[in-house]
Amino acid sequence: KQEVTQIPAALSVPEGENLVLNCSFTDSAIYNLQWFRQDPGKGLTSLLLIQSSQREQTSGRLNASLDKSSGRSTLYIAASQPGDSATYLCAVGNMDSNYQLIWGAGTKLIIKP
Amino acid sequence: DTEVTQTPKHLVMGMTNKKSLKCEQHMGHRAMYWYKQKAKKPPELMFVYSYEKLSINESVPSRFSPECPNSSLLNLHLHALQPEDSALYLCASSQVTGNYGYTFGSGTRLTVV
Repeated sequence: KQEVTQIPAALSVPEGENLVLNCSFTDSAIYNLQWFRQDPGKGLTSLLLIQSSQREQTSGRLNASLDKSSGRSTLYIAASQPGDSATYLCAVGNMDSNYQLIWGAGTKLIIKP
Repeated sequence: DTEVTQTPKHLVMGMTNKKSLKCEQHMGHRAMYWYKQKAKKPPELMFVYSYEKLSINESVPSRFSPECPNSSLLNLHLHALQPEDSALYLCASSQVTGNYGYTFGSGTRLTVV
């Protein structure tokens, strides 16, 4: 059974720092991995989608990598800003779960001005 | 149009009320989903519609009744809810296999009193 873990559960850093959020999964039979952002009480905003055949995706200050063989993905945020404060969730599209999303518990990120 | 629109944004209902949540997308996606999210937890899948047919029901109580009138609309009918059903209800859509990722709405914050 696929399990997705996100470490750390919470992270607080000063503005301007580069940071990395981690997502690990136990079963490499995935077809994609998606990173989402969620502000308190709001819906989910898709940040980056990485197909299983890809190694990384970039959007602005965000870069997501995928290493299927080791069961890991990282979300790199460059030059962090207070507006980046949110909860970041990774979700795996799992072949064995009829293509449904398997979710990590999220990392709550606080960027201090 | 790359959005999923959910209405209402907030809903307060009594335990004897009947209400409906609505979700709409015009991206041509043929899979639509209802998720329930409690505070500080990842979303939990409730229902999946594929080509307007219910394909997955994750053992959701019958007081939640989904409906997919056409390929762009998804409803969730609520009746005789309990206070523990208070949560953020999220709608999402995707291509049927989820290959191109999922798009989420901003959610309906439901409070049952």
